[in-house]
Amino acid sequence: EVQLVESGGGLVQPGGSLRLSCSASGFTFSSYAMHWVRQAPGKGLEYVSAISSNGGSTYYADSVKGRFTISRDNSKNTLYLQMSSLRAEDTAVYYCVKDGGIAARPGVFDYWGQGTLVTVSS
Amino acid sequence: DIQMTQSPSSLSASVGDRVTITCQASQDISNYLNWYQQKPGKAPKLLIYDASNLETGVPSRFSGSGSGTDFTFTISSLQPEDIATYYCQQYDNLPPAFGGGTKVEIK
Repeated sequence: EVQLVESGGGLVQPGGSLRLSCSASGFTFSSYAMHWVRQAPGKGLEYVSAISSNGGSTYYADSVKGRFTISRDNSKNTLYLQMSSLRAEDTAVYYCVKDGGIAARPGVFDYWGQGTLVTVSS
Repeated sequence: DIQMTQSPSSLSASVGDRVTITCQASQDISNYLNWYQQKPGKAPKLLIYDASNLETGVPSRFSGSGSGTDFTFTISSLQPEDIATYYCQQYDNLPPAFGGGTKVEIK
């Protein structure tokens, strides 16, 4: 059974930093691209970042580029999101998402974690 | 960036009704279109990928169609457990983009 368990969320002041982790199990982690998607309270889904299966390629939405860093440790089956210079508008539930690897290109999100809430407030 | 426009933003229907949601892309995305279901307080769940392919384990009352810029998601016979918000998502171009969501309620 595929499981994605996020951790590391919490309350942080504007301008602060936080690192999210996602522990993966039930599949060969090193074979799949992984993503972060967020959802502000009461709002829709917003794409944040992606990383290729071997970690060699990354992508960031414009809204987080230069402030967030995605990484992975395939030996630990863990995905990370280092967030810095946090703003109030970064307040959201952050979901760790597995790519389905179904299509010729990444972007089919077949498993999602339960999410971890990040609140940016003074 | 590609914009995804979903309609309606909400709907109310009776159990057993046929429910249809539309999603329009701001440019041609071929069939690189997925549909997700999100129940209150839960993570989204993949229902349909590549516009019309049913994800394993998803009931057959859910279906999708379309290509290019115009797509349709259908629940053939609405069930009480289908109460949720539904999102379309394109992955033809980066960044992957979601529609604004359609909240489905029981009348």
